[in-house]
Amino acid sequence: GDSVTQMEGPVTLSEEAFLTINCTYTATGYPSLFWYVQYPGEGLQLLLKATKADDKGSNKGFEATYRKETTSFHLEKGSVQVSDSAVYFCALSRNYGQNFVFGPGTRLSVLP
Amino acid sequence: EAGVAQSPRYKIIEKRQSVAFWCNPISGHATLYWYQQILGQGPKLLIQFQNNGVVDDSQLPKDRFSAERLKGVDSTLKIQPAKLEDSAVYLCASRPNTGERHNEQFFGPGTRLTVL
Repeated sequence: GDSVTQMEGPVTLSEEAFLTINCTYTATGYPSLFWYVQYPGEGLQLLLKATKADDKGSNKGFEATYRKETTSFHLEKGSVQVSDSAVYFCALSRNYGQNFVFGPGTRLSVLP
Repeated sequence: EAGVAQSPRYKIIEKRQSVAFWCNPISGHATLYWYQQILGQGPKLLIQFQNNGVVDDSQLPKDRFSAERLKGVDSTLKIQPAKLEDSAVYLCASRPNTGERHNEQFFGPGTRLTVL
């Protein structure tokens, strides 16, 4: 079945550091890929998405590129802020919004 | 545009009791999902509705969990009887079926259930 694997957390960085959170997936066909973010006490929010190979999703300084050859969708940000502290979930969807599968999440803590 | 609404936000019950959660999706969203998110894990899909019909309930523990969306708008998820391992956050999400964002889910704030 479909699955999403993320790097284990927690990840602790200093403000302005470079961030990478690895995500790899297993799925049949050509899934859409997503990064969702969950701030403390809140529900999940879509951060960015990519719907086909080589697409780059970007939002709020974060970006991720859909790499079909390596089945990866790594999240990056050049300079993190304290306000980026949250849990980040990688997810995939097949069949135009069906069959959503989430990874286990990676907790990021950014220290001032 | 109003977001996905859920209630209650928190619920504490004893094992073997019953509990119900309510979700009102974004207006016009035909697809509605219920997820269970255990602490430290990603959301796990319990059930997916398309209008008032069930699309996928393969991971719903049907001996104790039930869900309905009778008029194709709001939905109720019930647990009867609850077990300790049901302690989790129950998330509701909805998705538009058309438009640029047709493959995105919009999540509610969740209901945190504690079973003692």
